[in-house]
Formats: sequence, C-alpha cells, structure tokens
Amino acid sequence: AQTVTQSQPEMSVQEAETVTLSCTYDTSESDYYLFWYKQPPSRQMILVIRQEAYKQQNATENRFSVNFQKAAKSFSLKISDSQLGDAAMYFCAYTPRYKYIFGTGTRLKVLA
Amino acid sequence: GAVVSQHPSRVICKSGTSVKIECRSLDFQATTMFWYRQFPKQSLMLMATSNEGSKATYEQGVEKDKFLINHASLTLSTLTVTSAHPEDSSFYICSAPRAGGQETQYFGPGTRLLVL
Repeated sequence: AQTVTQSQPEMSVQEAETVTLSCTYDTSESDYYLFWYKQPPSRQMILVIRQEAYKQQNATENRFSVNFQKAAKSFSLKISDSQLGDAAMYFCAYTPRYKYIFGTGTRLKVLA
Repeated sequence: GAVVSQHPSRVICKSGTSVKIECRSLDFQATTMFWYRQFPKQSLMLMATSNEGSKATYEQGVEKDKFLINHASLTLSTLTVTSAHPEDSSFYICSAPRAGGQETQYFGPGTRLLVL
C-alpha cells in the first residue's frame, strides 16, 4: 500500500532560524511526484514545492528546499529564515499520477 | 496561477436535508477533479475522483449514494451530500490538476458543512 508518514505532529522554530520537516513514503512505483503543501488557518491549500522523482536535483523555491532521498523514500522540507507567515500546517503528498496521498501533517509554529 | 473556486464557503443545514457544493476551475478546463474531506486537525482524505462526462470513481468506504458527484462540464463539478447527518459535518475540499501542470493539484478554498 502507498502511504505517507510525517512523524512530527508539531514543530517550533524561532523567527529567522531554519527548520526541517520530515516526510517518508512507501511505494513500489518508480515514477511519481512529491509535494509539500501549506495550510494556514484559512484552510486554503497552498503549494510550497514540488519534486519529480526522476530528477536527482533537489527542488528549491526561495527559502524552501527539499532533501529528496529516493532510495530511502524520504522527502524533507527545509525552511530557511523562517517568518511569522510560515506558521501553518504542512502536508507532504505523494502521487504516481494525479491521485494524491497526504501525510498526517506537521503543525509549524514560528516564535517571534 | 490556476484558480479553483468553491461555493458555498460554509453551509448549515438540518439533518435529513441535501446539500450541494460546487467546485469550479476558473481559468482552465479540468476533465478530472477530486473531492476531499478533512476532519478537524486531520489530514485530507480523498473521497472520489470526478470525471467529466462519465461516472465518478469513489474511494473504498465512501458511499456513492450518499455523496453524489456530477461533473457536468469541463469547469464544474458538484458534490451533493444526500440526507445529511451530523456525522457528515466536515470540511470539504475540491482540487483539479491543470493539463501539463506536472501533476500539480490546485485546491479550492473549501466548504465547511455543519449538519444540525
């Protein structure tokens, strides 16, 4: 079965510091996509970053970057220079083709 | 970027009534849309895949007669919760992939349903 695991229900980070959110997944597929989505209190899902499994290079988007370890089936999100607006639920998602499987989420608190 | 809207944003209804939720892709066509359910402090659970011009595909454990899905056009999918009960109270979210968008889903803002 395809599963996505986020082992950190909650994380805290000091403003301007760096934090890493963990995600592991289980699949027998060789070609798939991985995502991190942010869900603020408004509950609107916002795409943070995307990684294609066939690409070895880790994706980056400004302050957000991933550490994609395909053999280990690990996909962690690093947030640098954390800002108060980064506080939200973060969901890791896996899809072989369109159909998403979400992790349980990590609540990120940013301390001023 | 791609925009997906949902209507209504929140609805309160009496037990036994039916509620319709609309999901629209505003600036792109979507032959496929997805419906999720999210309970408080939990993750999104896929309920069904809505296919334009054909029957929806439901996930295991989701009652197709209770959650009716109609994908009437390339920009509109509707979810009807029939004979709603308090346990159907939840946050319902739709999403749609944009063709050529590398599997990226664009999410609607969600609909909060409260059944009294």
